[in-house]
Amino acid sequence: QSVLTQPPSASGTPGQRVTISCSGSSSNIGSDFVNWYQHLPGTAPKLLIYGNNQRPSGVPDRFSGSKSGTSASLAISGLQSEDEADYYCAAWDDGLNGVVFGGGTKLTVL
Amino acid sequence: QVQLQESGPGLVKPSETLSLTCTVSGGSISPYYWTWIRQSPGKGLEWIGYIYYSGSTNYNPSLKSRVTISVDTSKNQFSLKLSSVTAADTAVYYCARVRNYYDSSDYYFYFDYWGQGTLVTVSS
Repeated sequence: QSVLTQPPSASGTPGQRVTISCSGSSSNIGSDFVNWYQHLPGTAPKLLIYGNNQRPSGVPDRFSGSKSGTSASLAISGLQSEDEADYYCAAWDDGLNGVVFGGGTKLTVL
Repeated sequence: QVQLQESGPGLVKPSETLSLTCTVSGGSISPYYWTWIRQSPGKGLEWIGYIYYSGSTNYNPSLKSRVTISVDTSKNQFSLKLSSVTAADTAVYYCARVRNYYDSSDYYFYFDYWGQGTLVTVSS
């Protein structure tokens, strides 16, 4: 059971906007930044969003992140077939004194 | 471009010690933190621990009694040892670079470069 809670799956059609939620607590999301990672099985996970809503260089602005209280969201607009992947949220946890992840959300582009 | 590559045995017997090495290329191992993360079959990501280039460490409490992470700056490598393994330790193990810094009063902590991962199976 992951410390951060994500829906196991999400889907959308090309061009649509999809959001993936991530729920935590006051010891993690409520007090620290949320980061998002994109993972295609068999490849290296990729940093997508850091600091709640910052995009690393090279990440399209179709990807955006937000946080409110103890929850965070990843939004993907203009959905493309290459966005089909697993998405993980992560945050520092003050109680654990370490990093916690969500269970991951498998995004399917229909 | 920083690249990370995990290496080590793909099969470990129960009760033995799992040993992996991560080789960093395209950049120096200092002055960064470096981390290990794993993904068991059908499950999500689990943070194992991290090490500073100077050698200080921090481990996931759930694995702390069995984990040792070390660094060799001369080889630009860091390593993971996990003792007394069981089938539950079967996973793809990833190494990654940590970026952590303050910007005003905000503390950023994230993993910006990852290795491709290596599958370690625990079986007799």
